[in-house]
Amino acid sequence: NAGVTQTPKFQVLKTGQSMTLQCAQDMNHEYMSWYRQDPGMGLRLIHYSVGAGITDQGEVPNGYNVSRSTTEDFPLRLLSAAPSQTSVYFCASSPGTSGSLYTQYFGPGTRLTVL
Amino acid sequence: DAKTTQPPSMDCAEGRAANLPCNHSTISGNEYVYWYRQIHSQGPQYIIHGLKNNETNEMASLIITEDRKSSTLILPHATLRDTAVYYCIVRVGDDKIIFGKGTRLHILP
Repeated sequence: NAGVTQTPKFQVLKTGQSMTLQCAQDMNHEYMSWYRQDPGMGLRLIHYSVGAGITDQGEVPNGYNVSRSTTEDFPLRLLSAAPSQTSVYFCASSPGTSGSLYTQYFGPGTRLTVL
Repeated sequence: DAKTTQPPSMDCAEGRAANLPCNHSTISGNEYVYWYRQIHSQGPQYIIHGLKNNETNEMASLIITEDRKSSTLILPHATLRDTAVYYCIVRVGDDKIIFGKGTRLHILP
């Protein structure tokens, strides 16, 4: 299994541009989530999904959209990039949302810079 | 906000046991405690989780107090490769898992 994969690994955007960060997992996990991590800070939850067709907001959802049309994929869309969105973005998945099923596997991250 | 409290940083001598504390005084009866770590700028890595009983795996041991209001992650023989930020997490709400700022563990040679 490849686990959780994220593309691209690095990205530079200009203010106002839009883009999609890709996340895929091949473990048939129901739960997927997106976090951002600013320099020297912890992870903050952006959006999450408990299954295909179901998404919900996390701590910092503004400026981001998500969709979950398949179990495998959970893309994160930046609608109009702003310098405040410069961060490292991590995608994670887990088999479920209770007990042992909530063990999350993380991708390697996407490093985004907005100029 | 995260429902856990951890010291911002700790030091531990190489070869000694590293004991990382976590307070989760508002934890509900059926909520698990999870521990992850993040080495440098990599994605976080799952370590261990528990509900009531103490747990041990190949990476660490987890000691949960009887009232479940605090726990301690134990790395029995710390090495330089254990230098990382360690996160103690409980679930917030129905399906959210929120990371706090964690404890930055420095292993001293």
